[in-house]
Amino acid sequence: DAGITQSPRHKVTETGTPVTLRCHQTENHRYMYWYRQDPGHGLRLIHYSYGVKDTDKGEVSDGYSVSRSKTEDFLLTLESATSSQTSVYFCAITIDRQAFFGQGTRLTVV
Amino acid sequence: DQQVKQNSPSLSVQEGRISILNCDYTNSMFDYFLWYKKYPAEGPTFLISISSIKDKNEDGRFTVFLNKSAKHLSLHIVPSQPGDSAVYFCAAAPERNEKLTFGTGTRLTIIP
Repeated sequence: DAGITQSPRHKVTETGTPVTLRCHQTENHRYMYWYRQDPGHGLRLIHYSYGVKDTDKGEVSDGYSVSRSKTEDFLLTLESATSSQTSVYFCAITIDRQAFFGQGTRLTVV
Repeated sequence: DQQVKQNSPSLSVQEGRISILNCDYTNSMFDYFLWYKKYPAEGPTFLISISSIKDKNEDGRFTVFLNKSAKHLSLHIVPSQPGDSAVYFCAAAPERNEKLTFGTGTRLTIIP
């Protein structure tokens, strides 16, 4: 258990509204990631962070932004939610190239 | 451009038999490979890994084989048990890099 907590666990939101998902870790890990899981696509990297205020884009970053102002928190924001962003979102940390995941957030955009 | 591919979306295996899950990759910079298991409503959990300096790694019922020339890895589970029913993802990381690229997943169903 790498001490990763995601909130909320479930959310339903309307198209066009901003949404922020939170990932909190308790063990001072340097590397943090946001993935989305979709049928037929597996786990795709949205954004990642190698430290405070050090973030970069993954393969599916359009429509998403992130912030990491503290080591323990990595926030994922959907600026204006669209139906294509309905998905399950996972936060992860890595230790020596092994990823540990949170429980996931199921987001539905209606 | 899918750098890590799992071409079988699903696989059904009789309990007690061997399950073989396959994964192909295209990026020759990958030098570390992992398998993850995922149950519904849970995050993926680490199963087994292999470095590119090896061609086989075993952990109990799980064995991962790596064929670098073919850019192919496989996960063998023997004997298969009902609790092995899950979605399995392979993943790869490039040299000196923590960022993992995941495959599309294979849903394994063990038939009692």
